[in-house]
Formats: sequence, structure tokens, C-alpha cells
Amino acid sequence: DTEVTQTPKHLVMGMTNKKSLKCEQHMGHRAMYWYKQKAKKPPELMFVYSYEKLSINESVPSRFSPECPNSSLLNLHLHALQPEDSALYLCASSLVPSSYEQYFGPGTRLTVT
Amino acid sequence: AQSVTQPDIHITVSEGASLELRCNYSYGATPYLFWYVQSPGQGLQLLLKYFSGDTLVQGIKGFEAEFKRSQSSFNLRKPSVHWSDAAEYFCAVGADSGAGSYQLTFGKGTKLSVIP
Repeated sequence: DTEVTQTPKHLVMGMTNKKSLKCEQHMGHRAMYWYKQKAKKPPELMFVYSYEKLSINESVPSRFSPECPNSSLLNLHLHALQPEDSALYLCASSLVPSSYEQYFGPGTRLTVT
Repeated sequence: AQSVTQPDIHITVSEGASLELRCNYSYGATPYLFWYVQSPGQGLQLLLKYFSGDTLVQGIKGFEAEFKRSQSSFNLRKPSVHWSDAAEYFCAVGADSGAGSYQLTFGKGTKLSVIP
């Protein structure tokens, strides 16, 4: 099973709302990633969790707050977002960080109004 | 720092025709190379990967890619394209950016359109 699941599939939120994106994998992977993808662009790395610890934060604004409650789950908490944060948010996982081979979820389409 | 170039932004082929998507990388050591495909509004699906060994690698959906170190290339090929292959294709290189910072660097992507 090489499946990464993400919920919700679509999310519309106002700039004052607080919402969360969820990602789950049951492949025993110990590295998990959040990416942001704008239309017609490649994914941009936001955060990397390695063995449940945050190892990379690509200078992401604090209105995005990641959380890794356990080795299977990854959350992205959203607060006070801006319209330019509207994008496809992709979660991925890999066996270990140095394996590079990442498996992606279907993404959450976020619209900030 | 590593980089990936996909020279073709958009390619259109007829169904049944052969396909080659170009990818050039820049990295000092032996790279880990990947091709991903993304249908509109979907996540990325891994097509194939190259780590070492045989320079011609086979992937899913009938795709193959050839690693050419002398040309710093990892081109994706398919002998006969199907309409369902229409999608965005991303080449990526995996590299350690330092201090154990293992990341994928993506090319800008090539959009494939297929004419029936």
C-alpha cells in the first residue's frame, strides 16, 4: 500500500478562520512533508518532519503551523491566511529522509476568501 | 546547489505517437532522479526513479527513462502515447542540501497534450 491520504479535499476559509489540513500514511514512513503548489508551478517545499520532529522549515510564515502527532499523521494548522495562500497543499512521505523517494497524497485545494 | 531544467513547457503529440520529455540536471555527485506525473487537481504520482546501476529504467504505465551522465540528462520516453497520458510531468533530483537536509528539487514541469 503506497497511499497517502489527505482531508479535506477542498477547503474554503475566510481570512479570520482557523482550520486544519490532515495527512495520513500507513506505510511505516518516518519522513513526512508539506508542499504548496500554485497553478502551473512545481511543488514548493514548506516543512519536513523527520522521525516526528520538525527538521526543515522553509521560512514559512507563522500563520502556517505544522504538527506531527505520531509517525502516521501530519497536520497543517491554518490561521489568519491571506488570499495569496490559496493553492493546492500536498502532503508526501518517504521511508526515511535520505531515501528521497516520496509518495504524494491527492492534495487539499485551499481557497482563502 | 542542485537544479533541474525541463526545456519544454508544453508538448503536443498525437495519440499513438512516440514521446520524449527532456530533463537536464545540475548536481555535483551521483543524483537520485525521478519522474512524477500530475493530472489536473491531483497529487503527484511517481512514474520511475534512478538511483544507480542500469541507466535505462522502466516505470509504470509503459514509461522508461535513460540516465546519461555525460549529458546530465534523464529523459522520459514512451513508445506510444495514450490520450490518458495527458498531464503535467515533473522531473526531480534528490540531493542533500547540507546538514542532512534531504530534499527533492523539481523542474518547472512539462505539460503534455494528446491529440486524438
